[in-house]
Amino acid sequence: DTGVSQNPRHKITKRGQNVTFRCDPISEHNRLYWYRQTLGQGPEFLTYFQNEAQLEKSRLLSDRFSAERPKGSFSTLEIQRTEQGDSAMYLCASSPPGPQGFSTEAFFGQGTRLTVV
Amino acid sequence: AQSVAQPEDQVNVAEGNPLTVKCTYSVSGNPYLFWYVQYPNRGLQFLLKYITGDNLVKGSYGFEAEFNKSQTSFHLKKPSALVSDSALYFCAVRDSTSGTYKYIFGTGTRLKVLA
Repeated sequence: DTGVSQNPRHKITKRGQNVTFRCDPISEHNRLYWYRQTLGQGPEFLTYFQNEAQLEKSRLLSDRFSAERPKGSFSTLEIQRTEQGDSAMYLCASSPPGPQGFSTEAFFGQGTRLTVV
Repeated sequence: AQSVAQPEDQVNVAEGNPLTVKCTYSVSGNPYLFWYVQYPNRGLQFLLKYITGDNLVKGSYGFEAEFNKSQTSFHLKKPSALVSDSALYFCAVRDSTSGTYKYIFGTGTRLKVLA
């Protein structure tokens, strides 16, 4: 399967602990996105990478959140000192450059469901 | 700022009847528009997109959508609904001229197709 892969699929953690999620995009996709989705809501944009450069960050992304994409391949999203409000589905997506700069669709992974207890 | 509105939380339709899921958008430039479907505990699956060209775009599983610039709408349609179409549908927009690459999603519409 050459789709977007996210690990782990589920994570239960105690409040105050740090967690890290991994996303492996589709090969040769230079754009990578992280979104957060809570129950009954649409995905909310967190951050965007083009290759290894983090070009956009949402104001939703507090100082406790950090994302990296070393070497422009896989990406990690870390949440420090987790809070119950961080409980959500964290979605990763990737997209190729697209012809002549036109945007193409983003391909989403299955997500990582985080539960903070 | 970009935004997407899906005015209906839920749409119920009988199997075999046509379905419409509504979406309106707001961008400062030219919109790129997308529809995604989500099944329980799964990621989002791409259905179709409008970038440029014909206002009527066709996508996966018999779905289509019509771009209407004057009404800033991009409604999803299917001529004959199937029970298996029951899922959560999201409309998304990207502003092609603002320099941003992020997709903004609506709050979703739950489609329920009744047998």
